[in-house]
Amino acid sequence: GQQVMQIPQYQHVQEGEDFTTYCNSSTTLSNIQWYKQRPGGHPVFLIQLVKSGEVKKQKRLTFQFGEAKKNSSLHITATQTTDVGTYFCAGPRDSSYKLIFGSGTRLLVRP
Amino acid sequence: NAGVTQTPKFQVLKTGQSMTLQCAQDMNHEYMSWYRQDPGMGLRLIHYSVGAGITDQGEVPNGYNVSRSTTEDFPLRLLSAAPSQTSVYFCASSWRDGYGYTFGSGTRLTVV
Repeated sequence: GQQVMQIPQYQHVQEGEDFTTYCNSSTTLSNIQWYKQRPGGHPVFLIQLVKSGEVKKQKRLTFQFGEAKKNSSLHITATQTTDVGTYFCAGPRDSSYKLIFGSGTRLLVRP
Repeated sequence: NAGVTQTPKFQVLKTGQSMTLQCAQDMNHEYMSWYRQDPGMGLRLIHYSVGAGITDQGEVPNGYNVSRSTTEDFPLRLLSAAPSQTSVYFCASSWRDGYGYTFGSGTRLTVV
């Protein structure tokens, strides 16, 4: 069945360094969503990408959807301690209502 | 607006006991889902619903039942709790296709 994989599993960076997490699907996705979960918290929706090759920015966060719509990335420029958390990508499986999450990338930031 | 409300926040069950995790949303969202989160395994979909009276299975439905009699409520029932069901459970809702999900704050369940 469809799998959504994320790498790396963990990333420990110095504050001010950049960070990137990658999401890969075994099948073409109609869209991909990104969520952030702070330690001890619940996932919070960040953004959805729909179009092939789409790039969206939210302040220091840049999201990309691959040309083949099978991969995506999230890049954070100049990380801050407030960026700490786990970042998940999620894509629909079989139908648009069935949202399947990747395993997540946990970001730790050294002040 | 309260968003998505889950109760209880914490629960300890004995093996074999049954219980219902409550989930309610006040945003008139059609889509609702239940996920469980285990360390290192991300979020796994248990059951989901696309409207009142309509439910379907997710990735890990065994041992759980759901029903959706109203748009607002989507309870998750554990039929006979097992230690493997120790997890954090999240309920989430979305207005419609193409919109992100709003998550509740979760229920931390321990089965002993």
